[in-house]
Formats: sequence, structure tokens, C-alpha cells
Amino acid sequence: DAGVIQSPRHEVTEMGQEVTLRCKPISGHDYLFWYRQTMMRGLELLIYFNNNVPIDDSGMPEDRFSAKMPNASFSTLKIQPSEPRDSAVYFCASRGTANSPLHFGNGTRLTVT
Amino acid sequence: KDQVFQPSTVASSEGAVVEIFCNHSVSNAYNFFWYLHFPGCAPRLLVKGSKPSQQGRYNMTYERFSSSLLILQVREADAAVYYCAPRCSGNTPLVFGKGTRLSVIA
Repeated sequence: DAGVIQSPRHEVTEMGQEVTLRCKPISGHDYLFWYRQTMMRGLELLIYFNNNVPIDDSGMPEDRFSAKMPNASFSTLKIQPSEPRDSAVYFCASRGTANSPLHFGNGTRLTVT
Repeated sequence: KDQVFQPSTVASSEGAVVEIFCNHSVSNAYNFFWYLHFPGCAPRLLVKGSKPSQQGRYNMTYERFSSSLLILQVREADAAVYYCAPRCSGNTPLVFGKGTRLSVIA
């Protein structure tokens, strides 16, 4: 199994631009999570999906953030417009059942200048 | 709001045993997860359980509102960030602490 695949690995953009982060979960996993990692806050949950349906998006910081999961093998996290304070590492993770552990992707390091 | 607390940094000498504490206020937690993260890589599960458990050099203690991760015979390669996460029943997602950065002194 290739594991959770995220792209791009690095993204550098200017303030105001739209940013789209992509994730392919492990095949057969019903749950998909987006986390943001910063020095100040550690790993923060942004949103998660179950069977492609968003369950809890209360961690999404602002309306500039949106996430979709059009099918079981793909999810996107979009920031529009981006701001310098959005700079962080964004992780996607998936799991099979409710009791199984999370499997993380390698993350996307976003830098907004 | 549920909170998870762990020290931001811990330092250890090579060959020693290091203990990383974690406590939380999640009322319905029944399990603990410890994840290891090397920068640039995917965080990965280190040890988990609802009772004291061991996985190689990693021991985990468990009480209802706290857990400790003990790393035996610490090596320089263990320098990383360690995250704890209490696990609640049902389909709720993992809520992580802010992570503990372990530095190892040769």
C-alpha cells in the first residue's frame, strides 16, 4: 500500500493567491482528516469526513478555508485568499474503522509570503 | 473545551531513560495514542493502549486522565516531536497535544 499521498510537498505562494492542497487516502479507509501543524498550536484538526461526507468542520479557522471530498479516493483543502499566517504544514490522514489508528501523509509545507 | 497537555521540550542524555508526560481533560477517553514525528515525514503511531504497554524500547503508562511515554536507552536518532492523543469512544477524531520536542545530548 502506498499510504496516504499528499501533493504538493511544498507550496510557496504570495498573499492573496488561491492555494489547493490534495490528498489521496489509503484505499478502503472511510475516514479522512485534515490537520494543520504549527509550532504554537501543534497538530490542530481542521475538518474530517466519513464516507466522503464532512462531519465536523469546526476547526476550520475562517471562511477562507474550504475542503471537499468528491469521492472516496480524493480530497482537497483550499485556501482563498491565502495569508502569511496560513503558513504551516498541512497533514492529511485516514483511518479504516472508528477504532483503528490514523495513517498520515507526509504533509504539505505551505509558505505564504 | 477538551484539552491535552504535554511539555513543549524534554532533554535527555544518550543511553538514559526519558519520560514524556501527557494529561488531558477529555471526560470520555478510554485509550491513549502516542505518535512520533520527524520533520518532513508523516507522523506515525508509536504505541497505543488502554493499559500499560510496551513496543520495543517504548513503554506506555496509562491512567484515566494521563499517560507517560518512556523511551529506554535513548539514542540521538530519537530526537523528534512526540504527540499524545487520548482516544474517545465512537467516531470522534483524535485530539492531539501540542507535541513534545525531545533533544538528545551525546
